[in-house]
Parts: sequence; C-alpha cells; structure tokens
Amino acid sequence: EDKVVQSPLSLVVHEGDTVTLNCSYEVTNFRSLLWYKQEKKAPTFLFMLTSSGIEKKSGRLSSILDKKELSSILNITATQTGDSAIYLCAFHPYSGAGSYQLTFGKGTKLSVIP
Amino acid sequence: KAGVTQTPRYLIKTRGQQVTLSCSPISGHRSVSWYQQTPGQGLQFLFEYFSETQRNKGNFPGRFSGRQFSNSRSEMNVSTLELGDSALYLCASSFGQNSPLHFGNGTRLTVT
Repeated sequence: EDKVVQSPLSLVVHEGDTVTLNCSYEVTNFRSLLWYKQEKKAPTFLFMLTSSGIEKKSGRLSSILDKKELSSILNITATQTGDSAIYLCAFHPYSGAGSYQLTFGKGTKLSVIP
Repeated sequence: KAGVTQTPRYLIKTRGQQVTLSCSPISGHRSVSWYQQTPGQGLQFLFEYFSETQRNKGNFPGRFSGRQFSNSRSEMNVSTLELGDSALYLCASSFGQNSPLHFGNGTRLTVT
C-alpha cells in the first residue's frame, strides 16, 4: 500500500525564520509529488515535482524531490505570519486505468508567530 | 477563470438521512474527484470521474456514491448517514494527468 509520511507534524517558528518541511514516500509507479497549502478550507496548489522537474521555486518557497531517497522537502525562507497553515504532501502514481488519485500525508501544521 | 465551486458550504443532517453535494469544476477540466477530510484520517480519496465515467473508487462503503454530468459537473451522495461521516468533503478538478489537482472550498457536513 502506498504511504506518504510528513514530518514534523507541527512546527512553531518566529517571523523571519527559515523552515524545512519533510515528506517521505513508500509508493509504486511514481508519477509526481505535489505540495499544497491549506489555511481554512481549500488546499491550494504550490508545486508539482516529477522525474523531469525535481526542483521548483516560487518567491520564498522552494521544493526539491530526491527520487533516490524517496523524499521531498519544502523550504520557506523569511517566514511571515501569512505562511501559517497546514502544508500537505501528496503522491500521484501512474495508473493503468488513467485515473487521477492522490495519496496525502497527514500534513505539517506551521505556526509563525510575530 | 473561476475556481472549483462547491455547494452548499455547510450542511447539518441527522443520522439515517441522505445528502447530496454538488461540484462545478474549473472550465475545461474533465476530471473531477472527491476527497473526505477528517482530523484523524486526513485527506482520503473517495472517487474520480472523467467523461461521466467513474475511473476509480477509494475504500469507502457503498453508501458513498457519485456521478458526473455531460457538462463535467459532479455530485456525490451519501445515504444512511452515520456520525462518522461528519467531515469536510472536498471536490477537485484537473485538466489532465500532468496537471495539478485544484480544490474547491469544500462542504462541511455535520451529522448529529
């Protein structure tokens, strides 16, 4: 059974700190790994990492995929209170039926205090 | 471009009743999937539809069902509600396998 594990489960930092969130996976038929940010309701898409795109960056956020170690990290530099959220990692496999199904980790709850 | 739209935002039902949730995907997206989110289990896959066909179903009882219409809009139905069905139900849509999944704001279902 495919499994996605995120660590830490929660994290409290001060504004301006840099944080690294971890995601490891035990999966078959890897297609991509996705990161989402969930504040109140809808998870919002951050990054999609694939074998052909193992590093992504957007502003203060960046992510790297390590296919050898079966893991990914999400870095946030110069954190702001607006970064407070649950960060979700999800695995997307290749499927013979062509279906789109994500397996999510339990998430990391990040709290940024002023 | 409008995002994924889910209605209603909140629902309160009693045990034994049934409920129907609605989802309109992003324009042009033909894949629509549903997820259940609870504090204990996190986000769990319910089912996925493409061109009105269910392509995959998660490990949920038969009380959970869904359908997709020709305009890609989707509904999910839960019959004979149980207390444990209380959750945030999220709908998501995608343009294709190499594109990310985009989520709606969800329907918060409370079963009393």
